Amino acid sequence: QQQVKQSPQSLIVQKGGISIINCAYENTAFDYFPWYQQFPGKGPALLIAIRPDVSEKKEGRFTISFNKSAKQFSLHIMDSQPGDSATYFCAASTRQTGANNLFFGTGTRLTVIP
Amino acid sequence: GAVVSQHPSWVICKSGTSVKIECRSLDFQATTMFWYRQFPKQSLMLMATSNEGSKATYEQGVEKDKFLINHASLTLSTLTVTSAHPEDSSFYICSARSERATGELFFGEGSRLTVL
Repeated sequence: QQQVKQSPQSLIVQKGGISIINCAYENTAFDYFPWYQQFPGKGPALLIAIRPDVSEKKEGRFTISFNKSAKQFSLHIMDSQPGDSATYFCAASTRQTGANNLFFGTGTRLTVIP
Repeated sequence: GAVVSQHPSWVICKSGTSVKIECRSLDFQATTMFWYRQFPKQSLMLMATSNEGSKATYEQGVEKDKFLINHASLTLSTLTVTSAHPEDSSFYICSARSERATGELFFGEGSRLTVL
């Protein structure tokens, strides 16, 4: 059972455009929602994360929007650049320590066209 | 940010041999590390949780005798793929949770294993 559902599977955006990736979850115990960026042949790197006490978090060109009632969260990449081309994974977890309760989405392959 | 180092980054071996992959947390102590396997164009699949000083906890369907995990210190966990076969070829990634209790996981760069 996929704990975190992610869409779209792939995304092509023109340089300068906005890239939007969506995720949804069911488990209301989740309280930490990170996004990871992965380049080919590399491990995932934390991009930005949010906790459910806020509805939006912005870091540079990257924004997470969080809708607690709908159990959905999304990543927006403003002014998308070719260097943003990578696979993006959303994830969700609880505050429980000592356990790997980080559930990953299936990933979105983003291609930004120059 | 915290750094997790994996070595080797890629390895090619013959069928039947064993391969060891190391995962080190460079600037923090990690009582818990995690090992993942990732197939091309797919998400990360958790294989096992490595606990310092105790036995690893394996996910359902992962052969513990095939994938040996040792977490000998607070900064080092190793994954040994024993008697490797071509179907074990994959991208293996480790991660570690900082004891600063932020919940954040830091990932290694991954190790590409190719079994001939």
